[in-house]
Amino acid sequence: AQKVTQAQTEISVVEKEDVTLDCVYETRDTTYYLFWYKQPPSGELVFLIRRNSFDEQNEISGRYSWNFQKSTSSFNFTITASQVVDSAVYFCALRGNTGNQFYFGTGTSLTVIP
Amino acid sequence: NAGVTQTPKFQVLKTGQSMTLQCAQDMNHEYMSWYRQDPGMGLRLIHYSVGAGITDQGEVPNGYNVSRSTTEDFPLRLLSAAPSQTSVYFCASSHGNRPETQYFGPGTRLLVL
Repeated sequence: AQKVTQAQTEISVVEKEDVTLDCVYETRDTTYYLFWYKQPPSGELVFLIRRNSFDEQNEISGRYSWNFQKSTSSFNFTITASQVVDSAVYFCALRGNTGNQFYFGTGTSLTVIP
Repeated sequence: NAGVTQTPKFQVLKTGQSMTLQCAQDMNHEYMSWYRQDPGMGLRLIHYSVGAGITDQGEVPNGYNVSRSTTEDFPLRLLSAAPSQTSVYFCASSHGNRPETQYFGPGTRLLVL
């Protein structure tokens, strides 16, 4: 089965705090892709990152970093020194190696309090 | 490029009415998909297409039809709207060489009374 679990439904942090959003996935595919999307209050979906299953190197982009661990089937997302503009719903998603089916988690709503 | 466009942005229907949600992309993407987003459920795949003339069902296809007569357009038809189809609908597309990277439209908010 293909499944993505985001156990954290809502998180609130005070501005400048670091926050980690958890994502755990299940797949039978040996090759797969993992994603994070941001959905701000305006409603559009913004692509943040794609990670291939064969590339376990962690990635940092400015205040954003991603920790991919195949051993625990996790792809966690950390925002360092959070800002009010980071307030949004964040979705983790999985795509297998065949077809074009993406599986999304239920999302984590992040509120950054000024 | 306009990217992925969706019309209308908002629609109110009565139960039993039919309508078509439009989706178009100008990036010459082979892959296109329709999702619905409901509170607490994330995005769920309704139908998808890997090229003109080819469509397949996703996770929640019941009550919806699609066709793909051109590369650019991928309309989603509600045959007989039901209140359970009240949702936000997103269309997405991706290139055949990079199908794993999707670009989303702005969404259509549908209310069925």
